[in-house]
Amino acid sequence: KQEVTQIPAALSVPEGENLVLNCSFTDSAIYNLQWFRQDPGKGLTSLLLIQSSQREQTSGRLNASLDKSSGRSTLYIAASQPGDSATYLCAVFNAGGTSYGKLTFGQGTILTVHP
Amino acid sequence: DAGVTQSPTHLIKTRGQQVTLRCSPKSGHDTVSWYQQALGQGPQFIFQYYEEEERQRGNFPDRFSGHQFPNYSSELNVNALLLGDSALYLCASSLDEREISDTQYFGPGTRLTVL
Repeated sequence: KQEVTQIPAALSVPEGENLVLNCSFTDSAIYNLQWFRQDPGKGLTSLLLIQSSQREQTSGRLNASLDKSSGRSTLYIAASQPGDSATYLCAVFNAGGTSYGKLTFGQGTILTVHP
Repeated sequence: DAGVTQSPTHLIKTRGQQVTLRCSPKSGHDTVSWYQQALGQGPQFIFQYYEEEERQRGNFPDRFSGHQFPNYSSELNVNALLLGDSALYLCASSLDEREISDTQYFGPGTRLTVL
């Protein structure tokens, strides 16, 4: 059974700092990995999707990497801003076992960027 | 191009009642997945519908059932509500899962409170 873990659970940084969010998963049989943003009480916004054959994806100030063999991904946020404050969720799209065809999510990292 | 829409936005029910949540997928999408997100947790996969049939199911009891209509919209029904069913219910749409590389697009969710 796929399990996804995100570290840290919460992070508070001053504006302008670069930061890294971590995600690990137990089963490397995945099709892709996605990073989502969730504002309080809202739905999910997809930030980046990395296919299993890729190593990284970039969008603006965001860069996500994937090391499938070790079951790890990182989301790097450059020059953080107060508007980046949200919960960041990592999810893998499973390719095998009982989790096939499903997204499995981590519990998220709550990010607060203070002015 | 309308994204994924869900109704209602909020819902309050009492224990033992039944509830129906609705979802309209993004234009052009034919697959709908439902997720339950308890407070402070990542979303948990409930089930997925494609061609009006349940194709995948997560670890949820039979009190949770669904339906997909010919226009690809979907309903989630929960019978005999328990306090523990209080959560944000998210709907996600995508193309047929044979298109594995496609991301899932999430709706804003329905907040269900069971008293």
